Amino acid sequence: QSALTQPASVSGSPGQSITISCTGTSSDVGGYNYVSWYQQHPGKAPKLMIYDVSNRPSGVSNRFSGSKSGNTASLTISGLQAEDEADYYCSSYTSSSTYVVFGGGTKLTVL
Amino acid sequence: EVQLVESGGGLVQPGRSLRLSCTASGFTFGDYAMSWFRQAPGKGLEWVGFIRSKAYGGTTEYAASVKGRFTISRDDSKSIAYLQMNSLKTEDTAVYYCTSTNMVRGVTPNWFDPWGQGTLVTVSS
Repeated sequence: QSALTQPASVSGSPGQSITISCTGTSSDVGGYNYVSWYQQHPGKAPKLMIYDVSNRPSGVSNRFSGSKSGNTASLTISGLQAEDEADYYCSSYTSSSTYVVFGGGTKLTVL
Repeated sequence: EVQLVESGGGLVQPGRSLRLSCTASGFTFGDYAMSWFRQAPGKGLEWVGFIRSKAYGGTTEYAASVKGRFTISRDDSKSIAYLQMNSLKTEDTAVYYCTSTNMVRGVTPNWFDPWGQGTLVTVSS
């Protein structure tokens, strides 16, 4: 069982917006602005999409945005495109001895 | 171009050892912490451990599942990070990824980028 809770799957049609939630505790998501999101296509390495809750690395589309409220972080993808179909993982620093925790991943299907 | 390339994976029997390498290029390797992650077949990402930069002591931290069995080290002169895996178990079977790691004040990991392509480790008799 993963430390952070994500929905197993979400789906949307091209052009729509979707949001993936990531719920933790005050020891991780709620306590620090160190939430990051990763996109992983099948057979490929993860790619950083959002860091420090809401910052986009250079080269990542502005269709991707992040936010946080309390112990829940969210990744929103607007204007869905077929290429967005992938697995998405959230991660956070944690004050526990594990240092880093991940969500179980969310499979995004573009209908 | 910033690039990380893992090597050293393969088939190994339970109880044996294996050393993975992560060769970096395109950035000043010694300035960055490096992390290892793994992903079992069909499963999610799991943090394995990290090593801080020498400027912050080059100290290491590990996940409970590998502590005492795995060791991370670095050779800044060669821009290589290593993951020494001892007493391997079948549940260590996974694709292993290395990443450059951004640290807050050199101590606290907050994000991981870029990632290597991964190397598959299969532990089986």
